[in-house]
Amino acid sequence: KAGVTQTPRYLIKTRGQQVTLSCSPISGHRSVSWYQQTPGQGLQFLFEYFSETQRNKGNFPGRFSGRQFSNSRSEMNVSTLELGDSALYLCASSSAPLGYNEQFFGPGTRLTVL
Amino acid sequence: TQLLEQSPQFLSIQEGENLTVYCNSSSVFSSLQWYRQEPGEGPVLLVTVVTGGEVKKLKRLTFQFGDARKDSSLHITAAQPGDTGLYLCAGGTGNQFYFGTGTSLTVIP
Repeated sequence: KAGVTQTPRYLIKTRGQQVTLSCSPISGHRSVSWYQQTPGQGLQFLFEYFSETQRNKGNFPGRFSGRQFSNSRSEMNVSTLELGDSALYLCASSSAPLGYNEQFFGPGTRLTVL
Repeated sequence: TQLLEQSPQFLSIQEGENLTVYCNSSSVFSSLQWYRQEPGEGPVLLVTVVTGGEVKKLKRLTFQFGDARKDSSLHITAAQPGDTGLYLCAGGTGNQFYFGTGTSLTVIP
């Protein structure tokens, strides 16, 4: 069974631009969660989607948004990029809503904002 | 302010030594999870503890959930270089999921 895949693995953008990251969950998993990891703040929860609906949302500004498609693939969008958005963005998938079952993480997308 | 505080933040020990990592919170969690993350990879779940006072063993790793379900500890016996990594506790409360501040462990051969 293929694991969670994220594309692209690395991305360089400049301030003010927008970016879209993609996450393909494990086949059959309907929950996808997104996290931001930085050296200063650690791993922080962005949001979770289950069956195309956003279930939970972390404490991030509205520039961070996401969606989930009918095949459970998910995208995360960050608009008007700031230097502080440089981070490793991780997605995780689970067969049940977040907190009920084990979640499996992808390798992450390393975003650098110049 | 982080909801889940881990200590120590960094730990460097010799192979064969024992160590304990702590995860503390002022909030009650229905369950806590422990993950290990290696460079360039996402975190991998090690264990989930659910019941207050619960102790779970995974080979040389022992996990304990506090009686009040506000804290947890991870004890590693006879650490090996393969144990090197970032250890994270995590749990959900309300509508959010929180990760701890992390403990970076280096085991020197």
